[in-house]
Amino acid sequence: DTAVSQTPKYLVTQMGNDKSIKCEQNLGHDTMYWYKQDSKKFLKIMFSYNNKELIINETVPNRFSPKSPDKAHLNLHINSLELGDSAVYFCASSQEGGERIFGPGTRLTVL
Amino acid sequence: AQSVTQPDIHITVSEGASLELRCNYSYGATPYLFWYVQSPGQGLQLLLKYFSGDTLVQGIKGFEAEFKRSQSSFNLRKPSVHWSDAAEYFCAVGAESGGYQKVTFGIGTKLQVIP
Repeated sequence: DTAVSQTPKYLVTQMGNDKSIKCEQNLGHDTMYWYKQDSKKFLKIMFSYNNKELIINETVPNRFSPKSPDKAHLNLHINSLELGDSAVYFCASSQEGGERIFGPGTRLTVL
Repeated sequence: AQSVTQPDIHITVSEGASLELRCNYSYGATPYLFWYVQSPGQGLQLLLKYFSGDTLVQGIKGFEAEFKRSQSSFNLRKPSVHWSDAAEYFCAVGAESGGYQKVTFGIGTKLQVIP
């Protein structure tokens, strides 16, 4: 049973395109996150949702828009993709005050 | 705001040797502390965590870590490294911020294991 799943695992696209990454957790956690990991492995929080409500939005361009249809899902939509958006994007979830459980990641390559 | 430092970017050890990965944090109160491991092409897996209580924490895969408040450290140790331990290791510190727990990750330490 996959606790936190993401699709797709790989995403290759052209500059200027719009793409989405989907995330689902079956842990019953209340909080979900999106992290970006750059080529130097630095992991940076982008967004956090608690029970479908946005609680953390770290200086992320407004081309990135998270959407949480319910507390088990947190999708990430990216408009007008740029070269600098190339990275690995991780979804994670946690229960209140608990550790993050990470998904397998989505490697985004913008050409 | 909290911060975390992993002083060693890259460490190489021989298989069977002992391992210690360093982690220092900065936070005014007692933080939540975590160690994660990331194998190539994989997501991050939690090795262990410290919230309170016993300062020596046991984790999965034979790892342990010790919280030392006086040194603001949470170093990860393993008595005998296996080739499969080669991976990236991340220390993280969590703290309450605006009613929620904010977790900050270190830059990671890449562990190479040689035969």
